[in-house]
Amino acid sequence: EVQLVQSGAEVKKPGESLRISCQASGYRFSSYWIGWVRQMPGKGLEWMGIIHPDDSDTRYSPSFQGQVTISVDKSINTAYLQWSSLKASDTAMYFCARPQVSWGGFDYWGQGTLVSV
Amino acid sequence: QSALTQPASVSGSPGQSITISCTGTSSDVGTYNLVSWYQQNPGKAPKFIIYEVTKRPSGVSNRFSASKSGNTASLTISGLQAEDEADYYCCSYAGRNTYVFGTGTKVTVL
Repeated sequence: EVQLVQSGAEVKKPGESLRISCQASGYRFSSYWIGWVRQMPGKGLEWMGIIHPDDSDTRYSPSFQGQVTISVDKSINTAYLQWSSLKASDTAMYFCARPQVSWGGFDYWGQGTLVSV
Repeated sequence: QSALTQPASVSGSPGQSITISCTGTSSDVGTYNLVSWYQQNPGKAPKFIIYEVTKRPSGVSNRFSASKSGNTASLTISGLQAEDEADYYCCSYAGRNTYVFGTGTKVTVL
């Protein structure tokens, strides 16, 4: 069974750094891209970026380029989303999600990590 | 890369059909047959309900159907039920391994 399990809720202060994680299981981690999606309180889904675990090829939405860093550790089947200096406007729920090989859509999602700044 | 445009809200009575539109551009919806749809209930992760414009994942009710014409994709929910009340989002592949989501539509069952 495919599962994406995210790290727990975080409460941070502006200016602090943070890394949240998404651990995958139930499939060959290196064979699928994995992405991150933001949902601000009461707002819609926003695609942030995506990474391929095999070579760490990473693509960012222009809205998030330079604001966050997506990385991966394929030895432990885990993807990360990182901030070097949080802002209050980073308060949101963050989901990791796996796109289909065909790019047809995101078929598996993590449970979400709530970040409060 | 602007968000795809969806109506903010759509409502219908039980048993009726409703349609949610999702308008993009020739750089995303209009070029790629890679539109997906998601249902999201409050406090939950999105649920994958349509992929590659028209296909339903295993286990998704056949009351959900979808299509695309030009730069606009559409999701139809037929035989509307109380359990369909949720937020719905479209998403399109936008080339070079990037995606864009829609603005989201709140479906209310009257």
